Amino acid sequence: DTGVSQNPRHKITKRGQNVTFRCDPISEHNRLYWYRQTLGQGPEFLTYFQNEAQLEKSRLLSDRFSAERPKGSFSTLEIQRTEQGDSAMYLCASSRGSNEKLFFGSGTQLSVL
Amino acid sequence: QKEVEQNSGPLSVPEGAIASLNCTYSDRGSQSFFWYRQYSGKSPELIMSIYSNGDKEDGRFTAQLNKASQYVSLLIRDSQPSDSATYLCAVNTGGFKTIFGAGTRLFVKA
Repeated sequence: DTGVSQNPRHKITKRGQNVTFRCDPISEHNRLYWYRQTLGQGPEFLTYFQNEAQLEKSRLLSDRFSAERPKGSFSTLEIQRTEQGDSAMYLCASSRGSNEKLFFGSGTQLSVL
Repeated sequence: QKEVEQNSGPLSVPEGAIASLNCTYSDRGSQSFFWYRQYSGKSPELIMSIYSNGDKEDGRFTAQLNKASQYVSLLIRDSQPSDSATYLCAVNTGGFKTIFGAGTRLFVKA
């Protein structure tokens, strides 16, 4: 399977704990995106990488959030000191070159208790 | 005003009917337009893209774009129960950020 892979699929954590999610994009895609989706809403843009460079971060991404894409391959999204409002589905997507068609992974469902 | 607006629905149509989904967007500089389908508990899946005014057909799906009216629509002909899902309209303004609407829930009754 050469689709976008995300893990873990589910994460339950206590408020104040740190969590890290991983995304492996489609191998020939150089663009990688993180989105967040809550129930009844569409995906909200969080951040974007072209190769290893993080080119934009949404104002939704507070200082508690950090994303990396070392060597332009997989990406990680870390949330420090989680809050209940962070509970959401975190979606990773990738695309090839200037083609804006996004291919999404299965997402990581985060529940903060 | 939201950047991409959709009627949340639910839109209910009988099997075999045409389902019509609509979307408006606020940025006149938008260049690329997409429809994604999202089944409950799953991630979005691209079903149509359209870049110029007019209609684009792919199987049972037709996307329509009117840039002057800032309006995008998706028609699903011969609707099937398996088409029951949330349909997300997405708009790209020419950069790397694609903005999604909140989605329209579609129910196709057998």
